[in-house]
Amino acid sequence: GQNIDQPTEMTATEGAIVQINCTYQTSGFNGLFWYQQHAGEAPTFLSYNVLDGLEEKGRFSSFLSRSKGYSYLLLKELQMKDSASYLCAAMDSNYQLIWGAGTKLIIKP
Amino acid sequence: SAVISQKPSRDICQRGTSLTIQCQVDSQVTMMFWYRQQPGQSLTLIATANQGSEATYESGFVIDKFPISRPNLTFSTLTVSNMSPEDSSIYLCSVRARENEQFFGPGTRLTVL
Repeated sequence: GQNIDQPTEMTATEGAIVQINCTYQTSGFNGLFWYQQHAGEAPTFLSYNVLDGLEEKGRFSSFLSRSKGYSYLLLKELQMKDSASYLCAAMDSNYQLIWGAGTKLIIKP
Repeated sequence: SAVISQKPSRDICQRGTSLTIQCQVDSQVTMMFWYRQQPGQSLTLIATANQGSEATYESGFVIDKFPISRPNLTFSTLTVSNMSPEDSSIYLCSVRARENEQFFGPGTRLTVL
């Protein structure tokens, strides 16, 4: 079956770095997505990786290893506004997104 | 990125009634989707809205309960029919743009009494 695993909750300190991991098993693979979702709001697109390696966008970076079925989202210089849920989703061979349950990130001062 | 708007942003409805949610995109897109997100849970795909033909529904969702229209490449509607409290959820319109990037509308928060 198809499955996405990510931690339920993580806590980090303002100004620090945090890495949110995601492992996936899908029928075929057409890319890995990360979204940020603040409570009561819609998900916001953060990144899309289809090739192995690290992609950096400002304070956020996303890494993909297709051979390991693994991705991570790296957040640097954490700010209080980064407190949110982070959703990992893998696109299968039918170009459908398979969603993880999300990781709730709590930032403490 | 595509700019997506949804109407209404929220509504409180009585059991047994129906609500139609509208989704408007600022550019033509091939793929449009409707999702549901219940409190504290991840996203569940209801259906893919196909332009000019019947929507493609996921397992557990049927056209009689969630009729969908897609008259053109920038607009779609989702109707939640004969509502019950179990239909209380956030309903999200989503579109896929270039290079498989997928974006979400602001959502419609539905409460059924």
